[in-house]
Amino acid sequence: GESVGLHLPTLSVQEGDNSIINCAYSNSASDYFIWYKQESGKGPQFIIDIRSNMDKRQGQRVTVLLNKTVKHLSLQIAATQPGDSAVYFCADLGTFQAGTALIFGKGTTLSVSS
Amino acid sequence: NAGVMQNPRHLVRRRGQEARLRCSPMKGHSHVYWYRQLPEEGLKFMVYLQKENIIDESGMPKERFSAEFPKEGPSILRIQQVVRGDSAAYFCASSPPQGNEQFFGPGTRLTVL
Repeated sequence: GESVGLHLPTLSVQEGDNSIINCAYSNSASDYFIWYKQESGKGPQFIIDIRSNMDKRQGQRVTVLLNKTVKHLSLQIAATQPGDSAVYFCADLGTFQAGTALIFGKGTTLSVSS
Repeated sequence: NAGVMQNPRHLVRRRGQEARLRCSPMKGHSHVYWYRQLPEEGLKFMVYLQKENIIDESGMPKERFSAEFPKEGPSILRIQQVVRGDSAAYFCASSPPQGNEQFFGPGTRLTVL
């Protein structure tokens, strides 16, 4: 069946370092991917998305890379700050059509120390 | 702009009672999704609704769980005769009529004693 997974459950970095969080997916037909940040006690917060016709997309301090050949995507956070500490999920949306359910991976807990 | 609203934020029920979780989508959004999150896990899709219609309930347990999104008022996720295994965080998301960027509410944390 379809699955979305992250390589590491936890990642610890120092403030100011760059963070890389990885995710693998299994559905080669997937068209749309989203990274969410979830802080303790809160709902997932949209960070950045990427369509399958792109390899890279940049936001403010974040970059998502998509490698369709190996079905892998990554989230890069530049100059990581303590406020970035949270659980990060990649989510797979099979198609961009309204009504398609998101399939979430298990999450990577990012801990940023000062 | 108000985001997706959910209430209550925390709900405690004893085994056998009913739980009602409410979700008000963002203004202009006509699509509502419910997800469940167990501790240390990602969110799992339960049901997708539009106004007065259940479109996809493939993630809903076959018994005790139901959902609705009436013409007026919030979407309701109803769990009858709750059991301890129902304890989880339940998140609602909404998306606009076109496209599928889903915005999440803060969740309802259900604890079954």
